[in-house]
Amino acid sequence: KQEVTQIPAALSVPEGENLVLNCSFTDSAIYNLQWFRQDPGKGLTSLLLIQSSQREQTSGRLNASLDKSSGRSTLYIAASQPGDSATYLCAVSPTNNAGNMLTFGGGTRLMVKP
Amino acid sequence: DGGITQSPKYLFRKEGQNVTLSCEQNLNHDAMYWYRQDPGQGLRLIYYSQIVNDFQKGDIAEGYSVSREKKESFPLTVTSAQKNPTAFYLCASTVQGPNQPQHFGDGTRLSIL
Repeated sequence: KQEVTQIPAALSVPEGENLVLNCSFTDSAIYNLQWFRQDPGKGLTSLLLIQSSQREQTSGRLNASLDKSSGRSTLYIAASQPGDSATYLCAVSPTNNAGNMLTFGGGTRLMVKP
Repeated sequence: DGGITQSPKYLFRKEGQNVTLSCEQNLNHDAMYWYRQDPGQGLRLIYYSQIVNDFQKGDIAEGYSVSREKKESFPLTVTSAQKNPTAFYLCASTVQGPNQPQHFGDGTRLSIL
C-alpha cells in the first residue's frame, strides 16, 4: 500500500529565505505527483503537477522536482514571503489508477515570519 | 465563476443522527471525490464517482454513503454507524483523463453535539 510522508511537519523561517519541503513515497509506480497549498479552514489549491515522465515543474517562485526511482519529491520556494504561510501537501496518483485517486502526505505547516 | 460549493460550512450532529453534506460543482467535471481530514493529517478518500449513477468506495467508506444522480452534485451522508465523525470534509472534482489536477471546495467542519 502506498504511503506518503512529509518532513518536517512544521517549519518556521524568516521572510526572504529560500526553503525546501520534502515528500517521500514508498511505491515508485506513480502516474503523477501533485503539490497543494491549504490555508487554515480552507480547501486545497493545486500548485504543481509533475507527470511521472517529468523531472520538475516550475510556477513563479515555486519549483517542484521528482525522483521517481528514489521515491522523493521536493518543493522549493524562493524568496519566501509571509503570504506563503500555509500547509503544503503532496499527493501521488498510482499507475493502476483509472480514477485519478490520490494518496496524500500529512503536510508541512509553513510559517514565514516578517 | 466556476467552482465547487460545499455547504454548510459548519455542521453539528447529535448521537444517532444521520447528516448530509452538500457538494455542487459547475465546472462540468465528470469525476467527484469526498475526503476526510483529521487535525494535522493528510486527506483520506471516502468515496469517489467517475460518472453519474456510479460511485466507488475509497479507503474509509464505512459509516458513509453517497449518491450521484446529477453530474453537478455529489452529496455525502454521514450515518450513525460512523462512530467518530468529527473531522473536516472536503469535496473535489476533476476532468476525466490522466494528469488532471483536482479542484477542491472550501470544506465542511462536522462536530458532535
